Amino acid sequence: NAGVTQTPKFQVLKTGQSMTLQCAQDMNHEYMSWYRQDPGMGLRLIHYSVGAGITDQGEVPNGYNVSRSTTEDFPLRLLSAAPSQTSVYFCASSYSPADSYEQYFGPGTRLTVT
Amino acid sequence: AQTVTQSQPEMSVQEAETVTLSCTYDTSENNYYLFWYKQPPSRQMILVIRQEAYKQQNATENRFSVNFQKAAKSFSLKISDSQLGDTAMYFCAFMKFEDSNYQLIWGAGTKLIIKP
Repeated sequence: NAGVTQTPKFQVLKTGQSMTLQCAQDMNHEYMSWYRQDPGMGLRLIHYSVGAGITDQGEVPNGYNVSRSTTEDFPLRLLSAAPSQTSVYFCASSYSPADSYEQYFGPGTRLTVT
Repeated sequence: AQTVTQSQPEMSVQEAETVTLSCTYDTSENNYYLFWYKQPPSRQMILVIRQEAYKQQNATENRFSVNFQKAAKSFSLKISDSQLGDTAMYFCAFMKFEDSNYQLIWGAGTKLIIKP
């Protein structure tokens, strides 16, 4: 198993550009989520999904869209990048948070918006 | 609203010593889960230990153990016989899950440095 994969690892965008961060998992996990990590702060939940076709907002959803058309993939879209979105983004998956199963994290994407 | 506080931004100890990282949280819920995650310089997030709030027994994983004080809302992590490879950021996290509502709150992290 490859686990949770994220692409790209690094990205530089100009203000106003759009892009999609890719996340995929091959563990048949129902639950997937996106976090951002900023210096001096813990991870903050952006969006999450409890299964294909179901998504919901987390703590900091503004400026981001998600969709979950398959169990494996959970892309995060930035519609119009802003410098405040400069951060490290992590995708995570688990069987079910209700069972407190371990969340498996991807390697992260470092995004810089200039 | 639930919050998680890690009051130690940075700690350093000598190799082989024991170190305790503190974590407190605020919630009115009775059923929840608590986690400690480790993030080494590689940036990968790794689960260290997990505690279910309904369990009175403190969780233990090899050299890692927790002191879970539910009434005090405290969840400290003890690392025994610390090793150079334990150098990392450590994050405490609180999770509540009910129906389709999910909430995972993270502390700001403690940077732990193990000195040779």
